[in-house]
Amino acid sequence: TQLLEQSPQFLSIQEGENLTVYCNSSSVFSSLQWYRQEPGEGPVLLVTVVTGGEVKKLKRLTFQFGDARKDSSLHITAAQPGDTGLYLCAGFSPSGTYKYIFGTGTRLKVLA
Amino acid sequence: NAGVTQTPKFRILKIGQSMTLQCAQDMNHNYMYWYRQDPGMGLKLIYYSVGAGITDKGEVPNGYNVSRSTTEDFPLRLELAAPSQTSVYFCASSYSVTPNSGNTIYFGEGSWLTVV
Repeated sequence: TQLLEQSPQFLSIQEGENLTVYCNSSSVFSSLQWYRQEPGEGPVLLVTVVTGGEVKKLKRLTFQFGDARKDSSLHITAAQPGDTGLYLCAGFSPSGTYKYIFGTGTRLKVLA
Repeated sequence: NAGVTQTPKFRILKIGQSMTLQCAQDMNHNYMYWYRQDPGMGLKLIYYSVGAGITDKGEVPNGYNVSRSTTEDFPLRLELAAPSQTSVYFCASSYSVTPNSGNTIYFGEGSWLTVV
């Protein structure tokens, strides 16, 4: 069982559409980070959310941290083919160790 | 800056062979991690280290071993390679365990391993 579950697992949409990716856990996280990864490369950090209820915007990407800090979402407005990639949430395990763990991943494909 | 350096980048192993994936960082980071990533999936933590001489198991440690004799190096050893270990392996390091707006986890470029 993954501590960080992402949904959907796959998403294929047309250019210009909006989408939301979810990252859910039954545990409280002190912070969560979102990454985007392209084939053949390592993950690239997009944002860190720390405060419950926090909303951060990065151009057409909006990130939200749940009030209880158990979930987070990534909303993309007017998706473009350049948004295609694997989106990952990640955070330090709430068990008190220093394990930095990743979510199950959402593979997004934006068609022109 | 070299950052996090992984070697080799590509390797083909036969079932039952052993090998070591090397990882070195030059940022004086205490925290280092090894992950594996299967196609289209998220990264799964294999082992991690909070400093020289200290290592601990992650989510999927079976079939792997690590050591941390220095701050800079964190090699991952595969004993008796199996087809299930075919994956992409990423090494990462971090200065702090409390990510905030100013902190970053640095990743190596990945090592592609195929076991046949």
